[in-house]
Amino acid sequence: DAGITQSPRHKVTETGTPVTLRCHQTENHRYMYWYRQDPGHGLRLIHYSYGVKDTDKGEVSDGYSVSRSKTEDFLLTLESATSSQTSVYFCAISVKGDSYEQYFGPGTRLTVT
Amino acid sequence: GDSVTQMEGPVTLSEEAFLTINCTYTATGYPSLFWYVQYPGEGLQLLLKATKADDKGSNKGFEATYRKETTSFHLEKGSVQVSDSAVYFCALHRGGKSTFGDGTTLTVKP
Repeated sequence: DAGITQSPRHKVTETGTPVTLRCHQTENHRYMYWYRQDPGHGLRLIHYSYGVKDTDKGEVSDGYSVSRSKTEDFLLTLESATSSQTSVYFCAISVKGDSYEQYFGPGTRLTVT
Repeated sequence: GDSVTQMEGPVTLSEEAFLTINCTYTATGYPSLFWYVQYPGEGLQLLLKATKADDKGSNKGFEATYRKETTSFHLEKGSVQVSDSAVYFCALHRGGKSTFGDGTTLTVKP
């Protein structure tokens, strides 16, 4: 257990509203990631962070922004939610070592109506 | 860019059957390779890993060997159980990021 929590776990919001998802870790890992999971697409990387205030885009970053002001928190913001952003969002950390395996949070199910 | 292609599912087996889920990858250099498992309503969990060519990862009766010559990392288990029913993801990690396959759903029937 890498001590990763996500909040909220479920959210329903309306098109056009901003939404922020939070990922919190307790073990000071440097690398953190946000993914979305959709049927038929596996996991797709949205943004990732390699340290406080150091972030970079993944393959599906349009419409999303992130912030990391503390090591333990990584926030994902949907600036103006659209129905295509209905998905399950997973946060992950990467454990430094010989392989950098990832450990995942429990996920947030977001529905945009 | 990097990519991972895994066997399309769903896969349905009877208990005690032999399992193979194929995975091939495209990447430059020497990525680390992983299999993750996801149970309903949960996040992904690391199942096994291999960090260099010819390494064999193993865990809970599952095995996979890093084959650089064929760029493959096929998952195998000799005798599956009902409790192995889940979605399995092949992944590689390189340059600070991971790339995942689309997942293969396994259902094991008693």
